[in-house]
Amino acid sequence: GENVEQHPSTLSVQEGDSAVIKCTYSDSASNYFPWYKQELGKGPQLIIDIRSNVGEKKDQRIAVTLNKTAKHFSLHITETQPEDSAVYFCAASSGGSYIPTFGRGTSLIVHP
Amino acid sequence: ETGVTQTPRHLVMGMTNKKSLKCEQHLGHNAMYWYKQSAKKPLELMFVYNFKEQTENNSVPSRFSPECPNSSHLFLHLHTLQPEDSALYLCASSLGAGNQPQHFGDGTRLSIL
Repeated sequence: GENVEQHPSTLSVQEGDSAVIKCTYSDSASNYFPWYKQELGKGPQLIIDIRSNVGEKKDQRIAVTLNKTAKHFSLHITETQPEDSAVYFCAASSGGSYIPTFGRGTSLIVHP
Repeated sequence: ETGVTQTPRHLVMGMTNKKSLKCEQHLGHNAMYWYKQSAKKPLELMFVYNFKEQTENNSVPSRFSPECPNSSHLFLHLHTLQPEDSALYLCASSLGAGNQPQHFGDGTRLSIL
């Protein structure tokens, strides 16, 4: 089955800095890679996703890159703000399965 | 508002009690999921329903019993739980197969005394 590794487990940055979270996956059939943000007391919410036919996708301060050959994908947050503080999860899934595999999460702390 | 509503938000129960968690989605999705989220552990998929039919049971103990009466509602019936079952239980829904985004509720925080 699929295995998703996520690093780092904790990331502490100053407001205005960039933050990068990295994930690797094992199943070459995986073709959908979402990222979720979970704030305290809330469920995870989708913030951006990428499919295997695309190498990069941006949405304002957030971007995701995908390297299919190396089987890794990354979340980039620029100009971080205190409200970006949360736990971020990556996931990978293939079209034939209802079961996405999640990473263990990264706790991002943005210091004002 | 995520479109996925879970009730109750908090639940404290003894090991011999019977209770149920409820999830409702207003997004027109056909797949619904139960996850368990414990501290310092990855999200654990418990059950998957597609068009009201259970498609996955991820080796979950029988003290957890899911029910999906229609594509909009999902229940998790709890009976004779153990202290290690204390966790956040998350419900999610998606439009279709695994390559679609999931929409999560805010969870039920369950504490077993």
